[in-house]
Amino acid sequence: DTAVSQTPKYLVTQMGNDKSIKCEQNLGHDTMYWYKQDSKKFLKIMFSYNNKELIINETVPNRFSPKSPDKAHLNLHINSLELGDSAVYFCASSQRGQISPLHFGNGTRLTVT
Amino acid sequence: AQKITQTQPGMFVQEKEAVTLDCTYDTSDPSYGLFWYKQPSSGEMIFLIYQGSYDQQNATEGRYSLNFQKARKSANLVISASQLGDSAMYFCAMRGNFGNEKLTFGTGTRLTIIP
Repeated sequence: DTAVSQTPKYLVTQMGNDKSIKCEQNLGHDTMYWYKQDSKKFLKIMFSYNNKELIINETVPNRFSPKSPDKAHLNLHINSLELGDSAVYFCASSQRGQISPLHFGNGTRLTVT
Repeated sequence: AQKITQTQPGMFVQEKEAVTLDCTYDTSDPSYGLFWYKQPSSGEMIFLIYQGSYDQQNATEGRYSLNFQKARKSANLVISASQLGDSAMYFCAMRGNFGNEKLTFGTGTRLTIIP
């Protein structure tokens, strides 16, 4: 039973295209996150949703738009992809109000050519 | 603001030896949690161990233990009897409670176990 699943695992696309990454969790958590891991392995938060409400929105280009149809799903849509968007994107979930670990998906490696 | 510092970019350790990965942190939150994650070459993020700021005892999980020194703001990970499968990137991270729930990561330490 996969706890946090994201698709696709790999995404190769050309500059200027629009792409989406989907994430789903079956842990019953109410908070979901998107993290970006750059080529130096640094992990930085992008967004967080709690019960479909945006609660964290770091400095991210507005080409990135998260969408949460319900508390178990958080998708990431990226418009007009640029070379610098190439990275690994991780979805994660946790329960709000608890200082507990985040559970991560396996990541989506995005390559923009 | 929360900050995590990992000063060891890479470490090489002989198999079966113990290894300590350093982590220092800074926060103004009265209540927070400290975490260690492992990222093997396959890329997934694996949660290893958690220490709450008010926990009196250091956390342990199998071969992993967290050496928590609150006054020094350090949360070092100790791996006993290292194995080849321990070769990976290790990230220290922290998060607070309401209003500061994001998990803030350090830059990581790449651990290589030598047979």
